[in-house]
Amino acid sequence: NAGVTQTPKFQVLKTGQSMTLQCAQDMNHNSMYWYRQDPGMGLRLIYYSASEGTTDKGEVPNGYNVSRLNKREFSLRLESAAPSQTSVYFCASSERTGRNSPLHFGNGTRLTVT
Amino acid sequence: DQQVKQNSPSLSVQEGRISILNCDYTNSMFDYFLWYKKYPAEGPTFLISISSIKDKNEDGRFTVFLNKSAKHLSLHIVPSQPGDSSVYFCAASVTSGTYKYIFGTGTRLKVLA
Repeated sequence: NAGVTQTPKFQVLKTGQSMTLQCAQDMNHNSMYWYRQDPGMGLRLIYYSASEGTTDKGEVPNGYNVSRLNKREFSLRLESAAPSQTSVYFCASSERTGRNSPLHFGNGTRLTVT
Repeated sequence: DQQVKQNSPSLSVQEGRISILNCDYTNSMFDYFLWYKKYPAEGPTFLISISSIKDKNEDGRFTVFLNKSAKHLSLHIVPSQPGDSSVYFCAASVTSGTYKYIFGTGTRLKVLA
């Protein structure tokens, strides 16, 4: 049981390049989330998907897009990377919405934009 | 606007003593609160949670206290062990409506042997 799997683990981009961060969960969870972690800023929510077929903006959505491909997979896309998007990105999932349900996290993608 | 705040960036405690990590929130709609610990190069790991209908929840050495009137929660670790050294995040959520989990900035706990 892998839980939440993120790929790639590391990535270096040049300013203006695009890329997609992949996330998959095998726990049959309904909700999925993308966070970024920056020093002194904690974890900030980028986008989330309460259920398959829906996505919503979080605290810091600018510069990102997401796709909930199916119940298992939730991808995060950077269309034109900027140095301000250098961060560690975490994907998470939770069993159900509207009920007390903790988040389960992947091990992160460390992204550097030069 | 930081809705969930952890005002102590770091904390050092002697092994065997109590560790108390604090968290304040501003949104009175939050009704579910969680604590996570995070080691370097790993994702946050769920530790313990509490619903707003309770004021205390225990799990082994970990107890979370919630004071709704003060919009404050705390995590007590007794007794503290060197393996507890980590970064601890509190998080809060509104369980109906937005389904967002908002995190604090974290407190680095160091338990000294």
